[in-house]
Amino acid sequence: EDQVTQSPEALRLQEGESSSLNCSYTVSGLRGLFWYRQDPGKGPEFLFTLYSAGEEKEKERLKATLTKKESFLHITAPKPEDSATYLCAVQADSWGKFQFGAGTQVVVTP
Amino acid sequence: DTAVSQTPKYLVTQMGNDKSIKCEQNLGHDTMYWYKQDSKKFLKIMFSYNNKELIINETVPNRFSPKSPDKAHLNLHINSLELGDSAVYFCASSQVKGSVETQYFGPGTRLLVL
Repeated sequence: EDQVTQSPEALRLQEGESSSLNCSYTVSGLRGLFWYRQDPGKGPEFLFTLYSAGEEKEKERLKATLTKKESFLHITAPKPEDSATYLCAVQADSWGKFQFGAGTQVVVTP
Repeated sequence: DTAVSQTPKYLVTQMGNDKSIKCEQNLGHDTMYWYKQDSKKFLKIMFSYNNKELIINETVPNRFSPKSPDKAHLNLHINSLELGDSAVYFCASSQVKGSVETQYFGPGTRLLVL
């Protein structure tokens, strides 16, 4: 049973073409939702933590938002260096552990 | 100044061998994890230790045995390696602020079993 689902699986963007990634989850008692960036051959790099519905966080060209059922990672005017796999993870009161989605691979071409 | 480090970075070995992967964190965190990332890039938790005590033990073959000599180190020993063990293994440590943990990952160990 998938409790954390990311879409799309892959996204190809032109430089400057804004888009959004989706992370939907089914859990009661959300403790936190996390976004990570993973470059090829490296470990996931922490980006954001979101705690409650309506919360937003920003970092450079990235903006993460959270509702009761999903989170979006908006990439505004992306650059080639934004190319990476973006991972979403959820921590719930009932699990304790982190549950990761399968990731969205983003490629930004000049 | 590395926060979470793993050794070795690459490990190529024959089926049936026993191998160990080491992890160290200098962040002062109390909790450490082992994850397995398969060929489809899906990250799956294996174990978690808090202050040297095992707190999460997922459905993992008992050929995998974690050991935490102190809260800055978490090692993973794998007995009788199988082809299906080939994957990237990530160590992570976490800090808690309020009620929420944030995890920081190591660079990974790429294991190939031939």
